[in-house]
Amino acid sequence: SYVLTQPPSVSVAPGQTARITCGGNNIGSKSVHWYQQKPGQAPVLVVYDDSDRPSGIPERFSGSNSGNTATLTISRVEAGDEADYYCQVWGSSSDHSGVVFGGGTKLTVL
Amino acid sequence: QVQLVESGGGVVQPGRSLRLSCAASGFTFSSYGMHWVRQAPGKGLEWMAVISYDGSNKYYADSVKGRFTISRDNSNNTLYLQMNSLRAEDTAVYHCARSMWGSKWLPCHSWGQGTLVTVSS
Repeated sequence: SYVLTQPPSVSVAPGQTARITCGGNNIGSKSVHWYQQKPGQAPVLVVYDDSDRPSGIPERFSGSNSGNTATLTISRVEAGDEADYYCQVWGSSSDHSGVVFGGGTKLTVL
Repeated sequence: QVQLVESGGGVVQPGRSLRLSCAASGFTFSSYGMHWVRQAPGKGLEWMAVISYDGSNKYYADSVKGRFTISRDNSNNTLYLQMNSLRAEDTAVYHCARSMWGSKWLPCHSWGQGTLVTVSS
């Protein structure tokens, strides 16, 4: 089955740029979606189809995807961005393996 | 406004069954694929199952294939997850989620707050 690998944690100072990676075999050929989850809350979609933002998500959130790595970039990080972030793809169209989530990355704002 | 409200969680003994429900409102339920996603205490998101808008296509995670069944009642705007042969490792908050578009499985655009299932003797 398809595996997505995220770093367990990323730390960044307020106002700086946070980059959260999501590794997978030839992930550049897939559409990657990113979710933010704060403690006790349901996940929120922040980036879809590699780099598009749903309405209401600040422009500070952006995404890219190429080769074996997809990246969620959060510019001008704010204290309110502290959360867990998960990447997601449809695993494989050939074996109907369904949806895959990365293990999640805890973003800490210093 | 999209609203998804899960119910049916609780404490259940290992080996027993439980059925979760997800009541949908604020959108045309019969036009969208729907997912179940769970999160064990202190752990990450784990996708469980997805069902197409009309119920004709279903996919499952390997961890629950053969034990869990996803279904829907479009006349009552409700999604279900029938969970059989429950194990301690099935203990989690179970969320339902709506696909962003009717024509694609992903992404999951709207989420419910979840219902807690605890499998314990």
